[in-house]
Amino acid sequence: AAGVIQSPRHLIKEKRETATLKCYPIPRHDTVYWYQQGPGQDPQFLISFYEKMQSDKGSIPDRFSAQQFSDYHSELNMSSLELGDSALYFCASSFRLAGLILETQYFGPGTRLLVL
Amino acid sequence: AQSVTQPDIHITVSEGASLELRCNYSYGATPYLFWYVQSPGQGLQLLLKYFSGDTLVQGIKGFEAEFKRSQSSFNLRKPSVHWSDAAEYFCAVGPVYGGSQGNLIFGKGTKLSVKP
Repeated sequence: AAGVIQSPRHLIKEKRETATLKCYPIPRHDTVYWYQQGPGQDPQFLISFYEKMQSDKGSIPDRFSAQQFSDYHSELNMSSLELGDSALYFCASSFRLAGLILETQYFGPGTRLLVL
Repeated sequence: AQSVTQPDIHITVSEGASLELRCNYSYGATPYLFWYVQSPGQGLQLLLKYFSGDTLVQGIKGFEAEFKRSQSSFNLRKPSVHWSDAAEYFCAVGPVYGGSQGNLIFGKGTKLSVKP
Protein backbone atom coordinates (compact mmCIF):
# COMPACT_ATOMS: atom_id res chain seq x y z
CA ALA A 1 0.00 0.00 0.00
CA ALA A 2 1.12 3.53 -0.74
CA GLY A 3 2.56 5.44 2.17
CA VAL A 4 3.35 9.03 3.00
CA ILE A 5 6.38 10.26 1.08
CA GLN A 6 8.71 12.91 2.40
CA SER A 7 11.58 14.54 0.65
CA PRO A 8 14.38 15.01 1.13
CA ARG A 9 15.12 12.35 3.72
CA HIS A 10 18.20 14.16 4.95
CA LEU A 11 19.14 17.81 4.74
CA ILE A 12 22.13 19.75 5.98
CA LYS A 13 21.95 23.52 6.16
CA GLU A 14 23.87 26.32 7.77
CA LYS A 15 22.52 28.89 10.19
CA ARG A 16 20.38 31.60 8.63
CA GLU A 17 19.77 29.53 5.51
CA THR A 18 16.35 28.43 4.30
CA ALA A 19 14.97 24.94 3.82
CA THR A 20 11.91 23.48 2.15
CA LEU A 21 10.51 20.12 3.19
CA LYS A 22 7.97 18.33 1.05
CA CYS A 23 5.25 15.87 1.95
CA TYR A 24 3.14 13.75 -0.38
CA PRO A 25 0.17 12.24 1.45
CA ILE A 26 -1.36 8.85 0.89
CA PRO A 27 -3.61 8.99 -2.20
CA ARG A 28 -7.13 10.25 -1.37
CA HIS A 29 -5.99 11.67 1.95
CA ASP A 30 -7.01 15.29 2.28
CA THR A 31 -5.37 16.29 5.55
CA VAL A 32 -1.71 16.81 6.28
CA TYR A 33 -0.01 17.33 9.64
CA TRP A 34 3.55 18.45 10.38
CA TYR A 35 5.41 17.43 13.52
CA GLN A 36 8.89 18.22 14.83
CA GLN A 37 10.82 15.68 16.89
CA GLY A 38 13.96 16.97 18.56
CA PRO A 39 16.72 14.56 19.65
CA GLY A 40 15.37 12.27 22.34
CA GLN A 41 12.05 14.10 22.36
CA ASP A 42 8.46 13.23 21.54
CA PRO A 43 6.96 14.61 18.33
CA GLN A 44 5.48 18.09 18.69
CA PHE A 45 2.66 19.25 16.47
CA LEU A 46 3.47 22.20 14.23
CA ILE A 47 0.59 22.78 11.83
CA SER A 48 -2.07 21.00 9.80
CA PHE A 49 -4.02 21.53 6.62
CA TYR A 50 -7.37 20.26 5.45
CA GLU A 51 -8.51 20.75 1.88
CA LYS A 52 -5.70 23.24 1.28
CA MET A 53 -6.70 25.44 4.20
CA GLN A 54 -4.84 25.71 7.50
CA SER A 55 -6.72 23.61 10.02
CA ASP A 56 -4.85 23.73 13.32
CA LYS A 57 -1.72 25.47 14.48
CA GLY A 58 0.66 24.29 17.15
CA SER A 59 4.11 25.36 18.20
CA ILE A 60 5.28 26.49 14.80
CA PRO A 61 7.81 29.35 14.88
CA ASP A 62 7.03 32.49 12.92
CA ARG A 63 10.10 31.75 10.79
CA PHE A 64 8.30 28.69 9.44
CA SER A 65 5.42 28.67 7.02
CA ALA A 66 3.55 25.90 5.27
CA GLN A 67 0.90 25.33 2.69
CA GLN A 68 -1.05 22.57 1.03
CA PHE A 69 -1.37 22.54 -2.73
CA SER A 70 -4.17 21.54 -5.10
CA ASP A 71 -2.76 18.01 -5.38
CA TYR A 72 -2.78 17.83 -1.54
CA HIS A 73 0.96 17.72 -1.17
CA SER A 74 2.35 20.08 1.42
CA GLU A 75 5.54 22.04 1.87
CA LEU A 76 7.10 23.33 5.07
CA ASN A 77 9.27 26.37 4.48
CA MET A 78 11.83 27.20 7.11
CA SER A 79 13.79 30.45 7.05
CA SER A 80 16.58 31.94 9.15
CA LEU A 81 17.48 28.48 10.36
CA GLU A 82 18.84 28.13 13.87
CA LEU A 83 20.87 25.37 15.46
CA GLY A 84 17.82 24.42 17.52
CA ASP A 85 15.87 23.64 14.37
CA SER A 86 17.90 20.47 13.95
CA ALA A 87 15.33 17.73 14.30
CA LEU A 88 13.35 15.04 12.56
CA TYR A 89 10.35 16.52 10.78
CA PHE A 90 7.42 14.23 10.25
CA CYS A 91 4.51 14.61 7.95
CA ALA A 92 1.35 12.63 8.57
CA SER A 93 -1.75 12.32 6.44
CA SER A 94 -5.31 11.29 7.05
CA PHE A 95 -8.70 11.25 5.40
CA ARG A 96 -11.14 13.51 7.20
CA LEU A 97 -14.71 12.30 6.83
CA ALA A 98 -17.07 15.24 7.09
CA GLY A 99 -19.03 15.12 10.34
CA LEU A 100 -17.20 12.05 11.62
CA ILE A 101 -14.23 11.72 13.87
CA LEU A 102 -12.51 8.67 12.53
CA GLU A 103 -9.19 9.94 11.39
CA THR A 104 -6.07 7.91 11.80
CA GLN A 105 -2.83 9.66 11.04
CA TYR A 106 -0.26 7.79 9.01
CA PHE A 107 3.26 9.05 9.29
CA GLY A 108 5.97 9.40 6.71
CA PRO A 109 9.59 8.38 7.34
CA GLY A 110 10.58 11.92 8.25
CA THR A 111 13.14 14.43 7.05
CA ARG A 112 16.20 14.71 9.23
CA LEU A 113 17.40 18.30 9.24
CA LEU A 114 20.81 19.22 10.57
CA VAL A 115 21.66 22.88 10.98
CA LEU A 116 25.35 23.66 11.32
CA ALA B 1 -5.12 20.60 29.21
CA GLN B 2 -4.77 17.31 27.43
CA SER B 3 -1.64 15.35 28.23
CA VAL B 4 -0.16 11.90 27.95
CA THR B 5 2.17 10.33 30.50
CA GLN B 6 4.38 7.35 29.89
CA PRO B 7 5.93 6.71 33.30
CA ASP B 8 8.67 4.37 32.08
CA ILE B 9 11.45 5.97 30.09
CA HIS B 10 13.31 2.73 29.45
CA ILE B 11 12.30 -0.90 29.92
CA THR B 12 14.39 -4.01 29.36
CA VAL B 13 12.77 -7.41 28.99
CA SER B 14 14.08 -10.82 28.01
CA GLU B 15 13.11 -12.26 24.69
CA GLY B 16 10.02 -14.41 25.12
CA ALA B 17 8.89 -12.58 28.23
CA SER B 18 5.65 -10.66 28.45
CA LEU B 19 5.55 -6.89 28.09
CA GLU B 20 3.37 -4.10 29.39
CA LEU B 21 4.01 -0.46 28.57
CA ARG B 22 2.06 2.05 30.59
CA CYS B 23 0.20 5.07 29.30
CA ASN B 24 -1.98 7.47 31.26
CA TYR B 25 -3.84 10.39 29.80
CA SER B 26 -5.55 13.51 30.94
CA TYR B 27 -8.50 14.49 28.81
CA GLY B 28 -11.86 16.15 29.31
CA ALA B 29 -13.92 13.72 27.25
CA THR B 30 -13.58 10.30 25.70
CA PRO B 31 -10.19 10.35 24.03
CA TYR B 32 -9.01 8.79 20.85
CA LEU B 33 -5.92 6.80 21.79
CA PHE B 34 -3.06 5.46 19.73
CA TRP B 35 0.14 3.55 20.11
CA TYR B 36 2.95 4.15 17.62
CA VAL B 37 6.33 2.44 17.37
CA GLN B 38 9.50 4.08 16.13
CA SER B 39 12.61 2.12 15.24
CA PRO B 40 15.92 4.01 15.34
CA GLY B 41 16.07 6.62 12.59
CA GLN B 42 12.69 5.57 11.27
CA GLY B 43 9.23 7.01 11.09
CA LEU B 44 6.26 6.30 13.31
CA GLN B 45 4.28 3.16 12.61
CA LEU B 46 0.75 2.79 13.94
CA LEU B 47 0.39 -0.26 16.16
CA LEU B 48 -3.22 0.13 17.20
CA LYS B 49 -5.91 2.66 18.02
CA TYR B 50 -8.97 3.06 20.19
CA PHE B 51 -11.91 5.19 19.16
CA SER B 52 -14.89 3.53 20.85
CA GLY B 53 -16.48 0.16 21.49
CA ASP B 54 -14.58 -2.83 22.80
CA THR B 55 -12.02 -1.62 25.30
CA LEU B 56 -9.52 -4.31 24.35
CA VAL B 57 -8.06 -3.56 20.95
CA GLN B 58 -5.82 -5.74 18.87
CA GLY B 59 -3.02 -4.35 16.79
CA ILE B 60 -0.28 -5.45 14.48
CA LYS B 61 2.74 -7.55 15.44
CA GLY B 62 0.82 -9.31 18.23
CA PHE B 63 0.27 -6.19 20.34
CA GLU B 64 -2.92 -5.34 22.19
CA ALA B 65 -4.01 -2.49 24.43
CA GLU B 66 -6.78 -2.04 26.94
CA PHE B 67 -8.63 1.20 27.53
CA LYS B 68 -9.60 1.68 31.16
CA ARG B 69 -11.62 4.82 31.64
CA SER B 70 -11.63 4.54 35.45
CA GLN B 71 -7.84 4.56 35.48
CA SER B 72 -7.36 6.91 32.51
CA SER B 73 -5.01 4.33 31.08
CA PHE B 74 -4.30 2.71 27.76
CA ASN B 75 -1.55 0.18 28.44
CA LEU B 76 0.13 -1.73 25.64
CA ARG B 77 0.78 -5.44 26.06
CA LYS B 78 2.42 -8.30 24.26
CA PRO B 79 2.51 -11.85 25.64
CA SER B 80 5.90 -12.79 24.20
CA VAL B 81 8.47 -10.23 23.10
CA HIS B 82 10.71 -10.76 20.09
CA TRP B 83 14.13 -9.17 19.62
CA SER B 84 12.72 -7.20 16.69
CA ASP B 85 10.35 -5.41 19.07
CA ALA B 86 13.23 -3.33 20.42
CA ALA B 87 12.23 0.23 19.57
CA GLU B 88 10.67 3.32 21.09
CA TYR B 89 6.95 3.28 21.76
CA PHE B 90 4.79 6.36 21.84
CA CYS B 91 1.32 6.64 23.26
CA ALA B 92 -0.76 9.46 21.78
CA VAL B 93 -4.15 11.04 22.27
CA GLY B 94 -6.14 12.76 19.57
CA PRO B 95 -8.01 15.83 20.75
CA VAL B 96 -11.13 16.88 18.98
CA TYR B 97 -11.53 20.29 17.47
CA GLY B 98 -14.83 21.22 15.88
CA GLY B 99 -15.75 17.70 14.89
CA SER B 100 -12.39 16.74 13.42
CA GLN B 101 -9.60 14.90 15.07
CA GLY B 102 -7.05 17.64 15.18
CA ASN B 103 -3.48 17.04 16.05
CA LEU B 104 -2.00 14.31 18.21
CA ILE B 105 -0.41 14.82 21.60
CA PHE B 106 2.36 12.35 22.31
CA GLY B 107 3.81 10.97 25.49
CA LYS B 108 7.57 11.18 25.99
CA GLY B 109 8.00 7.61 24.78
CA THR B 110 9.25 4.37 26.32
CA LYS B 111 12.37 2.82 24.92
CA LEU B 112 12.21 -0.96 24.89
CA SER B 113 15.35 -3.05 24.95
CA VAL B 114 15.20 -6.82 24.51
CA LYS B 115 17.75 -9.14 26.09
CA PRO B 116 18.59 -12.38 24.27
